Amino acid sequence: NAGVMQNPRHLVRRRGQEARLRCSPMKGHSHVYWYRQLPEEGLKFMVYLQKENIIDESGMPKERFSAEFPKEGPSILRIQQVVRGDSAAYFCASSPSEGPISNQPQHFGDGTRLSIL
Amino acid sequence: AQSVSQHNHHVILSEAASLELGCNYSYGGTVNLFWYVQYPGQHLQLLLKYFSGDPLVKGIKGFEAEFIKSKFSFNLRKPSVQWSDTAEYFCAVKIPYSGAGSYQLTFGKGTKLSVIP
Repeated sequence: NAGVMQNPRHLVRRRGQEARLRCSPMKGHSHVYWYRQLPEEGLKFMVYLQKENIIDESGMPKERFSAEFPKEGPSILRIQQVVRGDSAAYFCASSPSEGPISNQPQHFGDGTRLSIL
Repeated sequence: AQSVSQHNHHVILSEAASLELGCNYSYGGTVNLFWYVQYPGQHLQLLLKYFSGDPLVKGIKGFEAEFIKSKFSFNLRKPSVQWSDTAEYFCAVKIPYSGAGSYQLTFGKGTKLSVIP
């Protein structure tokens, strides 16, 4: 158990529906990162959040994708009007609150495998 | 922008064989380097990391990696693999103290290792 909890593990949606992916970071971690893994590709950075703040969303597609990390509750990655190309594994990672962020390894969840019909 | 190359897409070995997985990165300055392993259906787990100091890094489960700055390489090794090492292995890099690079992990495409009993 990595400690980073993602749900659901598998999510099936039809084109045009919305997908909501959830991530609860490890206890004591306030930095959350989302990565996307397309088939036969490495993970690609999407967004970095701290509580109630989006720090860097440079890896997110400009449309249909959004992320939040509210004061209470998990981080949510939301994909509106899904298309076939959104099919991928979405991984969340978290890192501790203390110390230089560059020195903190990221701990990953099990991922959510999103399939679009 | 930095990139990470993993030379082998799929490696097949017999138990007790020695393993070396190649990883090269493209960045001329200071880097933080990581190897993650992903067992089937599970999350990414950190095998080992290099930040500074001894370029030969020991990780969990008998793995080690050597940072060779002149070759921009961080190859993963294990003297004798077991069936339980069957997994996908990802090399990743961060650029410390560089703004976005200090938290964005850049991953290689991964190497699938199959160990035959």
